[in-house]
Amino acid sequence: GEDVEQSLFLSVREGDSSVINCTYTDSSSTYLYWYKQEPGAGLQLLTYIFSNMDMKQDQRLTVLLNKKDKHLSLRIADTQTGDSAIYFCAESTPNAGKSTFGDGTTLTVKP
Amino acid sequence: GAVVSQHPSRVICKSGTSVKIECRSLDFQATTMFWYRQFPKQSLMLMATSNEGSKATYEQGVEKDKFLINHASLTLSTLTVTSAHPEDSSFYICSARPLALVRNEQFFGPGTRLTVL
Repeated sequence: GEDVEQSLFLSVREGDSSVINCTYTDSSSTYLYWYKQEPGAGLQLLTYIFSNMDMKQDQRLTVLLNKKDKHLSLRIADTQTGDSAIYFCAESTPNAGKSTFGDGTTLTVKP
Repeated sequence: GAVVSQHPSRVICKSGTSVKIECRSLDFQATTMFWYRQFPKQSLMLMATSNEGSKATYEQGVEKDKFLINHASLTLSTLTVTSAHPEDSSFYICSARPLALVRNEQFFGPGTRLTVL
């Protein structure tokens, strides 16, 4: 079945850039998403990218997609302490009816 | 827009009792809602897909008689944990997919922390 993998932890210093990586196996994935979860809360959709795109930028967030390698990354520029959270990568296909989530990457931002 | 609520946010119950969790899409209609369980090591486990007006589709290994799902309207789905036991203690999160499907994304509720004593 479909599988989405992420590294579990990332630690950066405030002001640095963070890069969170994700790989997926389903070559028919059409939509890829990044969600953010703060402690004790639900998931918040941060950004998404269509599979026919290579890059998407939204303020401090840059998503890069390498469809050939099935690799997705989320870059957060000028990382702040408020960015500390768990980041989930997810993929879906139009007819799947559901999304497949990675296990989440815990980002810790040190002052 | 695209707000999903869950009620209650926290519940503590005795072993053997049943607990109902509500998931509502507040400003949109959702034909499909999803129920997840999140374990302490952070991974999300999809329990079931709830479709309005029809039976829920459960993932492998999830007991449908224990986790009863009802999706009676386009804005409400409920999860009832029947005869709860301490091992059912977890963080339960629902999500909803808008009827006017654009990008297949899901909007998540804030979660319900269930503690079974």
